This record gives sequence, structure tokens and C-alpha cells, in this order.
Amino acid sequence: IAGITQAPTSQILAAGRRMTLRCTQDMRHNAMYWYRQDLGLGLRLIHYSNTAGTTGKGEVPDGYSVSRANTDDFPLTLASAVPSQTSVYFCASSDLLAPSYNEQFFGPGTRLTVL
Amino acid sequence: QKEVEQNSGPLSVPEGAIASLNCTYSDRVSQSFFWYRQYSGKSPELIMSIYSNGDKEDGRFTAQLNKASQYVSLLIRDSQPSDSATYLCAVNYGGSNYKLTFGKGTLLTVNP
Repeated sequence: IAGITQAPTSQILAAGRRMTLRCTQDMRHNAMYWYRQDLGLGLRLIHYSNTAGTTGKGEVPDGYSVSRANTDDFPLTLASAVPSQTSVYFCASSDLLAPSYNEQFFGPGTRLTVL
Repeated sequence: QKEVEQNSGPLSVPEGAIASLNCTYSDRVSQSFFWYRQYSGKSPELIMSIYSNGDKEDGRFTAQLNKASQYVSLLIRDSQPSDSATYLCAVNYGGSNYKLTFGKGTLLTVNP
């Protein structure tokens, strides 16, 4: 593989269920990000990680958690899904050690519907 | 609140014309600026980055940055129907903050 993969591609979930969205990159980028994209609201940052072992909150972190056990994987967990979490979720990564350190590259996305 | 503003469009241009997309941002300390293209149902794709005042050209794309006026633009020359997409402007506000703030995007339609 080359780049970022996300799984699942799409999911329909009952409210109250727990769900983990997976993200894996093979570019050895140190930074990873989770965004949600909603019509009329654009891309909003949920959580980020600048390096393995550290995470931080973005603009809309409530209801979501992340972990960064290694460089390649950055899962996003919804502990108890609610309908307002219906969205398209994108994972992204960047190489903070490169001159172009702010260039972020996106995965294909996960379309999540919470009923 | 640091903001990135774009005209939502839709911007409609005929094939072969120049498409001009604009973006303004709220914080003068911003350091780096990006344009992403997003086709319907797909993920954002980085097409241009610009870090200093002036123009940066890459093929049919030219990014223009004016930090004094706090705007960045993207020109697409010889527009093609395949350029029809939403274009997202993103800004990094610098310092130890590596995060990007995205505009809501401008929908471009290139008519054959």
C-alpha cells in the first residue's frame, strides 16, 4: 500500500453503539489528524497527534477519543454514538520534519451514519 | 477565532477560460497556505502550497499570496471540465501549531 487507508468505507450504526474508525499510513509521517466534514460546515479537526504517544484536541473533540500507539495507526473511537456524529470522517497525515511540514495528505474517508 | 473565508460559489466558467478562486484569512501571523481540490464523494487532494508573498506556478495552476491584504488566490488557466470540483483553502497559523484551518470551499463548474 502507499498512502493512507481508512476502514470501513462506510458504516450504519445504531445510536449508543461503540465504533472505532481505523486509519493506517505507510509514509512514516509523524503527525496524524482526524477531521469530520459536514455540509455547510466544512472540514473540522477532531483530534490530532504530532508524534506517536501524544495526542491533542482539535476544534470538535467531544464524544471522540483517539490513541497513537505507533507511527502508522491512529484509530478514532466513538464511545457511544449519537445521530449528530453522522458525517464523513477523514484521516490525514503530515511529515513535521520535512520543509513542507504543514502539507497534509488525506485518506479516502469513512461515511458514518448514526441512526 | 481564526477564520478562513471563501466564496461558496458556485463559480461557473466556460472551458478554456481562467477560473479565479479567492480566500481571505483573519490572522496576520499565518505562515503557510494551501489549496486542495475535492471531487464529489472523494477526499481532499493537495494541489498547491505557498509560503511567501507573490506568485507560485505549477502547470495550469497559479497560487497568489498577499500577506499584507491577508488573501490567497488560485488561478486555473485553460479550465477543463475535469477541473470541476470544490476547492478548499487551508491556512496554518504558525508557531508550534501545526494544525490547518480550512475554508468551507468554493464549488467550481467548468462548462464544455
